[in-house]
This record gives sequence, C-alpha cells and structure tokens, in this order.
Amino acid sequence: GENVEQHPSTLSVQEGDSAVIKCTYSDSASNYFPWYKQELGKRPQLIIDIRSNVGEKKDQRIAVTLNKTAKHFSLHITETQPEDSAVYFCAASRRLIYNQGGKLIFGQGTELSVKP
Amino acid sequence: GAGVSQSPRYKVTKRGQDVALRCDPISGHVSLYWYRQALGQGPEFLTYFNYEAQQDKSGLPNDRFSAERPEGSISTLTIQRTEQRDSAMYRCASSPRLKNGAGELFFGEGSRLTVL
Repeated sequence: GENVEQHPSTLSVQEGDSAVIKCTYSDSASNYFPWYKQELGKRPQLIIDIRSNVGEKKDQRIAVTLNKTAKHFSLHITETQPEDSAVYFCAASRRLIYNQGGKLIFGQGTELSVKP
Repeated sequence: GAGVSQSPRYKVTKRGQDVALRCDPISGHVSLYWYRQALGQGPEFLTYFNYEAQQDKSGLPNDRFSAERPEGSISTLTIQRTEQRDSAMYRCASSPRLKNGAGELFFGEGSRLTVL
C-alpha cells in the first residue's frame, strides 16, 4: 500500500540556522504533497504544499522541493526562530477526480526544536 | 461554527462498549477524512468521503470500525465492542472543493478515546 517515510524523527537547531526535513513516498501516482505543522496540544495546520508539476515552491522562510524521479520531497526552513518549534508532518496523495480529495497519507513526523 | 467540530472531546468507556464519534465539517466542504493519531505520531488514515460517498476505507483497522456521512455533511465514526488498543485521539478533517488538485485539510480538535 501507500507509504510515506519521514526523516529525521527529531531535529534540534540553533536559532538562525536552517532546518531540513525529508520524506519519501511509495505511490508513484502521488501528485500532491502538503506539509503540516502541529504545535503541542493543537491540531495540525497546513504551512505549505506543492503539486507534482512544480519542482520547488517558496513562501518567505519556508520552501519545499520535489524530486518525482526519486520520489522524495523536502521541507526547508531558513533563519529558524523559537516559534518554529513544533512537530512537522509531510503527506502525499493522488488526485482521483479534478476537484475532489484523494487519500492523504502522512509521514511519522519530525519534532523540531529551535534553541534560542 | 467557523471550524471543524468534533464531539465528544473526551470519551472514557469500558471495554466491550460501542462508541460513536461525531464530526461536523466546515459548511460546504466536499471531502471529510477520519484519522487516528497516537501521541507523537503522524495521523494514521482511516477513511474518507467525497460528499456522501465513502471513497476509501482501507485504513479502518477491522470490521468493528465503520463510518458514515449519509447527507454529505456530518459524519459518524462508530467503534463496536471497544478494546483497550482502540484508545487514541481520533481526528476529523474536511477540505473544500480542490483548486487544481490541491486542497487544505482543516482538522478538528479531535476526540480522545480511552478504553478501560
């Protein structure tokens, strides 16, 4: 079945450094790749996403890259701040019907700690 | 309400009892997903609906688990003859009609189930 592997499981960086989280997916038909951030005790929230027809997408300090051939995608956070500390989840799905959702599979999560 | 609403927020039950978890999605959202999330882990896919149609139930652990969304809005996840291993946070999420195959999932606060 579909599977999404995420690494590392924990990541600790100094404030101002960059952080990179990597994911691989098994379903070659996957075409949508979102990233969610979950703060302690709260619900996951979307921070950035990318579709398979795009190789890279950036939003301020956050960027995501996609390598369809290798079936992996990565989240890059630059100039990290203490408020970036949270658990980050990658996910992958395939779009079955143009305007309707597909099965979204999440990775196991990366706990990011940004030390001031 | 403005967001996805789940009830009950907390449920403690005895082994062998049936439980029903309710999800009220954001009005007009096409897709509705059920996930189970263990502490420190990624959301584990259970099932999802587009409108009232259950598109995929491959993540339901066994036949004690079932879900419905009869009118394409509110959904109920039912667990029959609960077991201790069913204890977890059950999260519902909804998403609007997709734009170009991409769509944010809006998660509810979750229903924490404890089976004694």
